[in-house]
Amino acid sequence: GQNIDQPTEMTATEGAIVQINCTYQTSGFNGLFWYQQHAGEAPTFLSYNVLDGLEEKGRFSSFLSRSKGYSYLLLKELQMKDSASYLCAVGHGGATNKLIFGTGTLLAVQP
Amino acid sequence: GAVVSQHPSRVICKSGTSVKIECRSLDFQATTMFWYRQFPKQSLMLMATSNEGSKATYEQGVEKDKFLINHASLTLSTLTVTSAHPEDSSFYICSARKGAETQYFGPGTRLLVL
Repeated sequence: GQNIDQPTEMTATEGAIVQINCTYQTSGFNGLFWYQQHAGEAPTFLSYNVLDGLEEKGRFSSFLSRSKGYSYLLLKELQMKDSASYLCAVGHGGATNKLIFGTGTLLAVQP
Repeated sequence: GAVVSQHPSRVICKSGTSVKIECRSLDFQATTMFWYRQFPKQSLMLMATSNEGSKATYEQGVEKDKFLINHASLTLSTLTVTSAHPEDSSFYICSARKGAETQYFGPGTRLLVL
């Protein structure tokens, strides 16, 4: 079966650091993706990890451990505009490499 | 870049009518596009994979005769919701795959069936 778990909601303070965790159990694996989605809008691509380790991109970093089926998204120097849903998705592999999405984490950044 | 557009952005229709949604990759070619549906406060659910020049692959539980997909070119896929009913009201989002892995999403189409 396919199972991708994320916390449903998180709250953090402007200027702080927040880590959003994602655990997965899928029948195939070809990379882990993080997307940001503001209310009523389509998801925007944040990061892609296919090898173990940390990928840093500005204020956002993403980590992957394939042996543990675990990833996290780290957001630094939080801004109010970072309030959004953060979706973890696993590439299923195969010819189409379709994405399987987790339920998403709704992050609220407070002043 | 990797820009994907959708049209229309919002549509209201009467129950029993059909609605067509277009998805275009504007600055790259996409042999594979995907159609998702998202209900309020829920995550994206993959409906089908659209392959240029061949039949779409539908996920389990998605009626292929109700949700018609046509991938006529490397930059255009269409989703037609036939005989729409109020329970089909949702946010429909397409994505196009650039390269081997990353999918880029369109802005979505909000469908309301009265």
